[in-house]
Order: sequence, then structure tokens, then C-alpha cells
Amino acid sequence: GAGVSQTPSNKVTEKGKYVELRCDPISGHTALYWYRQSLGQGPEFLIYFQGTGAADDSGLPNDRFFAVRPEGSVSTLKIQRTERGDSAVYLCASSLTWTRSDGYTFGSGTRLTVV
Amino acid sequence: AQSVTQLDSHVSVSEGTPVLLRCNYSSSYSPSLFWYVQHPNKGLQLLLKYTSAATLVKGINGFEAEFKKSETSFHLTKPSAHMSDAAEYFCVVTQEGNQFYFGTGTSLTVIP
Repeated sequence: GAGVSQTPSNKVTEKGKYVELRCDPISGHTALYWYRQSLGQGPEFLIYFQGTGAADDSGLPNDRFFAVRPEGSVSTLKIQRTERGDSAVYLCASSLTWTRSDGYTFGSGTRLTVV
Repeated sequence: AQSVTQLDSHVSVSEGTPVLLRCNYSSSYSPSLFWYVQHPNKGLQLLLKYTSAATLVKGINGFEAEFKKSETSFHLTKPSAHMSDAAEYFCVVTQEGNQFYFGTGTSLTVIP
């Protein structure tokens, strides 16, 4: 597609529930990133995929968070047993290569609210 | 370790006057530096990037930034602010690996 697409744009869930957030990167982009942006803060790194594999998942806050990219394109961020502190905007970005000099293209994000 | 410090959380300028958004970085090696803009309810958009070529970098919408290694700074400027420039601006550094480290952002208000 023309840009990075994230669905849903908004998600409200109850504490303790499971959620999935989807990211469709730009076609042909091999690198995909997930970031989390809390209110009034800059985005914080969660996980990075190069192709199908997670090249760096050091930003995932705990084992309730997991992400997959089974075919090297679409990625899903999964959060189990959601907590109110998980409320944030979850941003996905992609880039053509993993080269650090490439700028990312970001999606508009999924605003997750845990009530 | 890498980090960026955006020295002003809020900047307010009058339309038609210059814009200066300040950013200092910390990096052990030669970094790549970026500025992104985020309009309300919109995705982050790349304004410009520095990747060890020319130290004065020109970006979109009339913005530019100068990499000053001696001052570890990468300030964003624009000669004349436009109402449409009102947004949140993020300075970003990356070095080894592929994580981007974002500053906490500067909110730019443009007064008509």
C-alpha cells in the first residue's frame, strides 16, 4: 500500500482482556518496528523485525507482550492480560532496509485504552 | 548509550517569525539524527535526517537543521513560521542497532 496501515485506530478493552493490534507495512519494506507512545512522551522502542524474525525485542516490557510477523509482511502485536498501564498509542513503522540511515515511515497508530 | 534532550517542551512563535527547536544528543559514535513532526491524530512524518554527509540538512516545508559535533546539537530551524507548522516535533538519534531514541518532544504553537 501507499503507507503504513494500522488497525484498529482505536481500541477500548477491559483490564485483563487480550488484544491484538495489526500493522500493514509499506509493500516491499523488509524492516518493521513497533513503538509505544504514552501521553506527553516520545515513542519508545518495543520490537524490531527483519523479515519474519524478531531481530531485537529488548523493548518489550514483559512477557505479556508478544509480536509476530509470520510471512514477513503484516505484523501483529499481542498483549495478554491487559493492564491500565498499557494504555498508550502503539505505533508501527517500516523501512526499506534495516540500514540505520533510513528514516522510518510511521503509521497513524492504534490508541489503546484499558479501562 | 544514546539519548536526546529536547530543551524546550513548548515553543510559541508568531506567524512569519523564525522557529528554533533545540536538540542535544548523546552518542558514543557517529550518530544518525532525525527530526519528525506529529500533527494531532496523525502519524509521525520525517522532516529531515543527518547521516554523516553535509552538516547542514534541508528538509521538507522549509525546515533545516545543522549538525554540530562540538556542541552535540542538532537544532531545527525555519526562517518563517506558518500556521500549519503547529505540531509536536521530535528529535531522534540512532547509532548501532536499529532502535530510534526519541526525545520527549517540543510542542510548537504558531500565533496568528
